[in-house]
Amino acid sequence: GEDVEQSLFLSVREGDSSVINCTYTDSSSTYLYWYKQEPGAGLQLLTYIFSNMDMKQDQRLTVLLNKKDKHLSLRIADTQTGDSAIYFCAESKRTTASKLTFGTGTRLQVTL
Amino acid sequence: DVKVTQSSRYLVKRTGEKVFLECVQDMDHENMFWYRQDPGLGLRLIYFSYDVKMKEKGDIPEGYSVSREKKERFSLILESASTNQTSMYLCASSLSGDRAGNTIYFGEGSWLTVV
Repeated sequence: GEDVEQSLFLSVREGDSSVINCTYTDSSSTYLYWYKQEPGAGLQLLTYIFSNMDMKQDQRLTVLLNKKDKHLSLRIADTQTGDSAIYFCAESKRTTASKLTFGTGTRLQVTL
Repeated sequence: DVKVTQSSRYLVKRTGEKVFLECVQDMDHENMFWYRQDPGLGLRLIYFSYDVKMKEKGDIPEGYSVSREKKERFSLILESASTNQTSMYLCASSLSGDRAGNTIYFGEGSWLTVV
């Protein structure tokens, strides 16, 4: 079956880079996503990447995909206190792109 | 501005009660979803619907049912609430079609406590 795993917690200092990692098991995963959940709120899509790409950059966010190792990462440059949230990795397949399988979520704590 | 609205943010119900969680979206989306979120388990799909009166089981449908009588509204029903259904419930919606980037929009969540 499908499995998406993340570490539960990450603490970084303001101004440093954060790297949140995710591994998935389903080799037929076609789309991989990063969502952000701020306290008391729903999930907000940050970015997504197709499995035929290995990198995508969007302002402070860089997504790296190693398809061979089924490893996805999200790098946040110059981390700010407003980046404190839970970050979810998710995957879906081309045939059922609307159905996402989510990871456990990584809580990012940004300290001063 | 897109909106998925969950009418109840916080509920406390007794074991055995019937519970309705309502979700409304104003984006004319075909797909709607119900997830539950638990610490350390992430989000797990309970049910989804890809059209009015259509529904499909997700990964953890046991103990739940759903209703989609109108396109904009998707209801989650707990026929007889149990304490292990204490959780945060998230509703979401998206356009139809299997394309990534059909962004899934989430509501703010409903915190349900069953005592």
